[in-house]
Amino acid sequence: DAKTTQPPSMDCAEGRAANLPCNHSTISGNEYVYWYRQIHSQGPQYIIHGLKNNETNEMASLIITEDRKSSTLILPHATLRDTAVYYCIVRVARSGGSNYKLTFGKGTLLTVNP
Amino acid sequence: GAVVSQHPSWVICKSGTSVKIECRSLDFQATTMFWYRQFPKQSLMLMATSNEGSKATYEQGVEKDKFLINHASLTLSTLTVTSAHPEDSSFYICSARSSSGGGHTQYFGPGTRLTVL
Repeated sequence: DAKTTQPPSMDCAEGRAANLPCNHSTISGNEYVYWYRQIHSQGPQYIIHGLKNNETNEMASLIITEDRKSSTLILPHATLRDTAVYYCIVRVARSGGSNYKLTFGKGTLLTVNP
Repeated sequence: GAVVSQHPSWVICKSGTSVKIECRSLDFQATTMFWYRQFPKQSLMLMATSNEGSKATYEQGVEKDKFLINHASLTLSTLTVTSAHPEDSSFYICSARSSSGGGHTQYFGPGTRLTVL
């Protein structure tokens, strides 16, 4: 079972920042937070992951609260091509039982409007 | 970046036939590959996990004799849907985990849409 909670949908204006929240209140100390997105009829695309520090790459920023019970994915300047379902997943980094798997929940459908 | 390819991208077959889907990691070696299935308007469901040279581990409820997985090399895994039926029509997606860099990231293929008539 997915151990994260995300809003089912969000809207964002093109050019504005999109902030996608995720609750993971039962996260374990050795579990990372991963974000993927899936554009319609395509395979999921890796975005970013983190353990406890904030992370930034060319696609997005990941802000993890100090207690690690929630995080926010930030797309700084959303474009129409960012319209997709965004999945927040918690998982241990290395193989070790069932919690190593990427288990997808329902995610958040982000719609970027012109 | 890491690229995972799938072939074919779509396939239509008659009921009772078998269909093979290939998954390749193009620019990295994948010790572990995963197969997912996604029905319309639903999320991805993990079917099985395979390690190179080993038998696949199937999720509960997935018939191993129906969905044959072969992970013969570090860059290739195949999923064969045997005796396909209309209820097997779905979007099949493979994923590969790199064996380098701590193995953090799974990369996904573009998916294969299977339609069984």
